Amino acid sequence: AQSVTQLGSHVSVSEGALVLLRCNYSSSVPPYLFWYVQYPNQGLQLLLKYTTGATLVKGINGFEAEFKKSETSFHLTKPSAHMSDAAEYFCAVSDSSYKLIFGSGTRLLVRP
Amino acid sequence: NAGVTQTPKFQVLKTGQSMTLQCAQDMNHEYMSWYRQDPGMGLRLIHYSVGAGITDQGEVPNGYNVSRSTTEDFPLRLLSAAPSQTSVYFCASRRTGRETQYFGPGTRLLVL
Repeated sequence: AQSVTQLGSHVSVSEGALVLLRCNYSSSVPPYLFWYVQYPNQGLQLLLKYTTGATLVKGINGFEAEFKKSETSFHLTKPSAHMSDAAEYFCAVSDSSYKLIFGSGTRLLVRP
Repeated sequence: NAGVTQTPKFQVLKTGQSMTLQCAQDMNHEYMSWYRQDPGMGLRLIHYSVGAGITDQGEVPNGYNVSRSTTEDFPLRLLSAAPSQTSVYFCASRRTGRETQYFGPGTRLLVL
């Protein structure tokens, strides 16, 4: 069965600092991996996704993530945080079934 | 394209009442899903559909019913509302099983 673990329900960084949000997954087949962002009182929107090929994936708003098969990880990073990045971030995995399974989410706080 | 639309945006029910949450998409997507979002638990899959006339259960199906008579619509029915069903409900759709999933804006439900 597939599953997703996001370490840290809350992450706080200063504006301009590195953002690192952690995601580990389990899947019995090569996974498709996604990061979604949710701003307050809104639905989820896709930040980036990994399907096959290049393991470093670039997304919107300067975010990127690296698929590391040996570590079963797909951590999300951004070199310099901006106040507008404050939101909740969800990692998700899709295997060969029809289901997309989400982690419990990480709320990013950006301090001025 | 309007994308994925949900109605109502907010609803208050009394215990034991029934209601239907509406979801529609205009992208001709085969796959549609319903999730509930609760604090600290991420998004949990309630029911999903892989095409008109085909539905299946997700992680937390009890107390909910779905049908898919057309490609566009995927309503979620609460048969007898309970306080434990207080949550934010998201509908989502995608073209195939492992493609990007698009979310609606959500329905906030309060059961008293």
